[in-house]
Amino acid sequence: SQTIHQWPATLVQPVGSPLSLECTVEGTSNPNLYWYRQAAGRGLQLLFYSVGIGQISSEVPQNLSASRPQDRQFILSSKKLLLSDSGFYLCAWTMYHPNEQFFGPGTRLTVL
Amino acid sequence: DAKTTQPTSMDCAEGRAANLPCNHSTISGNEYVYWYRQIHSQGPQYIIHGLKNNETNEMASLIITEDRKSSTLILPHATLRDTAVYYCIVRLNDYKLSFGAGTTVTVRA
Repeated sequence: SQTIHQWPATLVQPVGSPLSLECTVEGTSNPNLYWYRQAAGRGLQLLFYSVGIGQISSEVPQNLSASRPQDRQFILSSKKLLLSDSGFYLCAWTMYHPNEQFFGPGTRLTVL
Repeated sequence: DAKTTQPTSMDCAEGRAANLPCNHSTISGNEYVYWYRQIHSQGPQYIIHGLKNNETNEMASLIITEDRKSSTLILPHATLRDTAVYYCIVRLNDYKLSFGAGTTVTVRA
């Protein structure tokens, strides 16, 4: 069966520091991968999606970037965090039906 | 995207069926209806989706009206673990889900 992992589970970072969040999927190959953010009390916002290695589509302009160095690995990065980057970051994957997505446990990021 | 309208919150009794409504009067012919839920502090969980016909799986049933302007998610026997925010999403088959505020469902013993 397929499993999706995210780490770390929680993270507290100072403003201006870099960020690297990792997501990996097991038990499948060539999945579509997604990064979402949920700010406190708000709905989920799609940040990036990827249909293959090195293929990244950005949905919103921001100081975040994403990379897919391996088939089942998706990384969310920032060179300098802002206070507004705080939130719950979720990775998701899908195979056959684009909107039947399976989410990871998430990373709760607090920028101070 | 077709806009969806859901009640802000609803309560239901444990063991009873929970019927969650969703209005999507501007839905287009090739847009699907998706339902997800999010239990507190967890990632969303896919429940079910449909285009025109009613659908049923091990988690729930989805009833879509004939004119497709509204739908109802039915949890047949609600348990305390079904307490969550439920999202109704109308979307093309194009990877780009958009989650709104949803309905906060509280199942009470």
